[in-house]
Amino acid sequence: GQSLEQPSEVTAVEGAIVQINCTYQTSGFYGLSWYQQHDGGAPTFLSYNALDGLEETGRFSSFLSRSDSYGYLLLQELQMKDSASYFCAVRAHTGGFKTIFGAGTRLFVKA
Amino acid sequence: DTAVSQTPKYLVTQMGNDKSIKCEQNLGHDTMYWYKQDSKKFLKIMFSYNNKELIINETVPNRFSPKSPDKAHLNLHINSLELGDSAVYFCASSPGTSYEQYFGPGTRLTVT
Repeated sequence: GQSLEQPSEVTAVEGAIVQINCTYQTSGFYGLSWYQQHDGGAPTFLSYNALDGLEETGRFSSFLSRSDSYGYLLLQELQMKDSASYFCAVRAHTGGFKTIFGAGTRLFVKA
Repeated sequence: DTAVSQTPKYLVTQMGNDKSIKCEQNLGHDTMYWYKQDSKKFLKIMFSYNNKELIINETVPNRFSPKSPDKAHLNLHINSLELGDSAVYFCASSPGTSYEQYFGPGTRLTVT
């Protein structure tokens, strides 16, 4: 089967750095994505890692370790607008490509 | 210049009714998806179509029937609605089997 685990909630202060971890178990693993979803909004794509290492996109970075079945999303210089839910998602090939989402981490950014 | 659009945005209906949700994308993508997001925000794939052909059909009751008249449209018809069908339904699209999916604004379905 496939499963993903990520913390349900994280709270951080404006201007700080926060890391949201994700561990997964899946067959046919291809890569790990991250999506952001504001309340009442649609998920929007943030990043994707297919290979081990760190990918940086502005204030956001994502890391993957395939051997540890682990990844994280790093948000720097937090802003109030970063308050949202963040989903890790595994891209797997099991008879066809499929994206399986984690349960999401609710990030609260405080002033 | 909406990329992925869904109608309606809100749908309130009674148990036992049949309803449809429409999705259109103008991104030129050839793969489209339906996801269900429950009250705990868990996002689960329901169906995926590539060039009008069904490629993923998760364990979804057969009361749910997707239809893709062309690669820019993917509609979802639900028969005999149940209370447990209340959720937000998201349509998404991607170029081929790309990892980057573009989501529509969602349809909040409430079954009373």
